[in-house]
Amino acid sequence: QSVLTQPPSASGTPGQRVTISCSGSSSNIGSNTVNWYQQVPGTAPKLLIYSNNQRPSGVPDRFSGSKSGTSASLAISGLQSEDEADYYCAVWDDSLNAGVFGGGTKLTVL
Amino acid sequence: EVQLLESGGGLVQPGGSLRLSCVASGFMFSTYAMSWVRQAPGKGLEWVSVISTSGDDTKYADSVKGRFSVSRDNSKNTLYLQMNSLRAEDTAVYYCAKDYKCDSWGQGTLVTVSS
Repeated sequence: QSVLTQPPSASGTPGQRVTISCSGSSSNIGSNTVNWYQQVPGTAPKLLIYSNNQRPSGVPDRFSGSKSGTSASLAISGLQSEDEADYYCAVWDDSLNAGVFGGGTKLTVL
Repeated sequence: EVQLLESGGGLVQPGGSLRLSCVASGFMFSTYAMSWVRQAPGKGLEWVSVISTSGDDTKYADSVKGRFSVSRDNSKNTLYLQMNSLRAEDTAVYYCAKDYKCDSWGQGTLVTVSS
């Protein structure tokens, strides 16, 4: 069981907006910034969002992140077929003194 | 362009040891912390370890603490993960990643622990 809770799956049709949640606690999300990663099956993960809501260069502005209290969310607008992938949240946990990943959310574009 | 190239994976018996390497290029290696993350077959990502720029500060997941050791050679732009007392549950693809926020990843190297 992961310290961070994500829904195992999410889905949407092309053009739709979808959100993926990441729930934690005061020792992780409540105290530190959240990163999000995208992993297309068979490939290495890619940083999508860092510091809660910052996009690395090259990441489309269709991807956005937010954080409130002990939860964070990744939003994808204008859903495209190439967005079909696994998405993971990650954060430092002060109690564990270690990094932690969420269990991952498999996004299906219908 | 940032490039990270892992090597050293393979098949090892339970209780055995392996040392993974990650050669970095395209950025000033000595000025970034480096991380290791693993992914068991069909499973999610699991954070393993991080090392500071100088190597004097290291952190580990509880699942590997006391068995794994991370180090780096800034003169060779290389990150290492020494894995001892390996268990079946350590079977995974091991990725090295740049910085605490893992903003660039290698392609991974597969470690299989089995008799």
